Amino acid sequence: NSKVIQTPRYLVKGQGQKAKMRCIPEKGHPVVFWYQQNKNNEFKFLINFQNQEVLQQIDMTEKRFSAECPSNSPCSLEIQSSEAGDSALYLCASSPGQGARYFGPGTRLTVL
Amino acid sequence: QEKVQQSPESLIVPEGAMSSLNCTFSNSASQSIWWYQQHPGKGPEALISIFSNGNKKEGRLTVYLNRASLHVSLHIRDSQPSDSAVYLCAVMNYNQGKLIFGQGTKLSIKP
Repeated sequence: NSKVIQTPRYLVKGQGQKAKMRCIPEKGHPVVFWYQQNKNNEFKFLINFQNQEVLQQIDMTEKRFSAECPSNSPCSLEIQSSEAGDSALYLCASSPGQGARYFGPGTRLTVL
Repeated sequence: QEKVQQSPESLIVPEGAMSSLNCTFSNSASQSIWWYQQHPGKGPEALISIFSNGNKKEGRLTVYLNRASLHVSLHIRDSQPSDSAVYLCAVMNYNQGKLIFGQGTKLSIKP
């Protein structure tokens, strides 16, 4: 069973507001991923880190999205100016390296 | 960009029967295929993975991979109501570090 912790579980924001969510990866997992899952179950990879360094990110995250994974603190994903299309389940996953990814329960973001 | 397609979109199976889910992928060089289970309100949980052509069995789960036909299937023997969930097929490319998900199959087991 995954021990990835995500907070908050639910987040409601107005358009243009900031939305910030946090993730504590499993102990000993150096790789952290953020995914967006929409209501059609479509997964979109956003960004991943290895030992606090960004490995890959998509263009979307370079504009309104920012993420960080500081040592000894939770990882975070922040949307600077929320849009209705950002409403989704945001999933954090961690991994010991290659192979299985262990997902948290997600943060359900609703942008009104 | 790797494409992963799952079928059927939804499946209803009586309790105790076999559930069979399908997945096709677009790149024969994809390195491993994973099946995840996702219950409502929870994140996906890895169930089983396969790398080599052929089949792999773990408990009530059997997965078959045919790289030539770009097809993988998951079979759940003696299906239980607790197996009701969305099942996600995901293809891993280690070189790119990417895990590409299909759109899922919603499985409902009827008592």
